Amino acid sequence: DGGITQSPKYLFRKEGQNVTLSCEQNLNHDAMYWYRQDPGQGLRLIYYSQIVNDFQKGDIAEGYSVSREKKESFPLTVTSAQKNPTAFYLCASSIPGLNYGYTFGSGTRLTVV
Amino acid sequence: QQQVKQSPQSLIVQKGGISIINCAYENTAFDYFPWYQQFPGKGPALLIAIRPDVSEKKEGRFTISFNKSAKQFSLHIMDSQPGDSATYFCAASINTGNQFYFGTGTSLTVIP
Repeated sequence: DGGITQSPKYLFRKEGQNVTLSCEQNLNHDAMYWYRQDPGQGLRLIYYSQIVNDFQKGDIAEGYSVSREKKESFPLTVTSAQKNPTAFYLCASSIPGLNYGYTFGSGTRLTVV
Repeated sequence: QQQVKQSPQSLIVQKGGISIINCAYENTAFDYFPWYQQFPGKGPALLIAIRPDVSEKKEGRFTISFNKSAKQFSLHIMDSQPGDSATYFCAASINTGNQFYFGTGTSLTVIP
């Protein structure tokens, strides 16, 4: 079945540590996105990519980095510069230009310990 | 600045009742308005969507009402069921399928 796979489901980060969240899709979608979800704040865009080897910052990119070396993969690194990383992270993909909306992954819950 | 404003933040409805969630936007360039349903620990799933050339769209028990002049749209859930208990997000985008702007979400609880 086509879809988006995020891993791991739960992730624990120590202070000062970088961690990478995986996002893989087999939908052949061109665009991929990373959102952060916090209670009462909805979904906030971190980074997005509409084509391989190209990506743009979203509204809250500070402390995060991404790469898009393959169409299927869009990993997110939460760096030590992100001071409040505890959140639920969602990856999504879409076909730009169509009335299709996003397909979301099932999320990764990151907790700082 | 919140591009899409959503209310209420939480909603409790009796089984069989009507749930209504409202959203408002300012950017008249938005041309696609989806609603997403999210269960705890899961990613949001597309529920229903509308474009501004129609005033209403219905899919089963779910209806979107769209008021272009007021720049408002709402989700109506008829005959609400306990299984509808979830968080609902409205969203809007320009040039459909590109970056979406999400509301802050509504936590719906349907009481048996």
